[in-house]
Amino acid sequence: KAGVTQTPRYLIKTRGQQVTLSCSPISGHRSVSWYQQTPGQGLQFLFEYFSETQRNKGNFPGRFSGRQFSNSRSEMNVSTLELGDSALYLCASSFTGTSSYEQYFGPGTRLTVT
Amino acid sequence: AQSVTQLGSHVSVSEGALVLLRCNYSSSVPPYLFWYVQYPNQGLQLLLKYTTGATLVKGINGFEAEFKKSETSFHLTKPSAHMSDAAEYFCAVSPGSSNTGKLIFGQGTTLQVKP
Repeated sequence: KAGVTQTPRYLIKTRGQQVTLSCSPISGHRSVSWYQQTPGQGLQFLFEYFSETQRNKGNFPGRFSGRQFSNSRSEMNVSTLELGDSALYLCASSFTGTSSYEQYFGPGTRLTVT
Repeated sequence: AQSVTQLGSHVSVSEGALVLLRCNYSSSVPPYLFWYVQYPNQGLQLLLKYTTGATLVKGINGFEAEFKKSETSFHLTKPSAHMSDAAEYFCAVSPGSSNTGKLIFGQGTTLQVKP
């Protein structure tokens, strides 16, 4: 079974621009979560989608948004990029997203904001 | 609120030596606990998880962890380190059934394996 895929793997953007990242979950998984990883803050939860609905949200500004499609693929968007948005963005898929089900992570998208 | 503390941001062991990575958690509900490993420029790979039942959990690559409720700990061990174990390790807790899709991670421990 194919793993979680994320595109693109690397991205360089300029402050003030917007960016869209894509995530394809493992086949049959309906929950997709997004995380931001930085050296200073570590791994932080952004949001989770299930059946095209955002079920849970972390403590990030409204510039960070996402959506999920009927095939469970998900995108996240960051508008008005700031230098501090430079990070590794990881998505993870899970069968249902509930506590006992493990999450499987993709390789991440490395975003650099200049 | 749930949290995870990993004691020691860097751990160095010799090849063949015991690996012990420490993780303590706080949780107001029965916890679901996970250990993940991250190799450079890669995502996180699940090593093992504890949900319910047996408190000694065996994972991939010879790793295991023991859930100790009285000590609120979930330390990761491996009897004999291999050079390929050098990576960053993350302990995580799932906050509970109402907090779907969310894992709370510790700050990570970088494991160095010396020849």
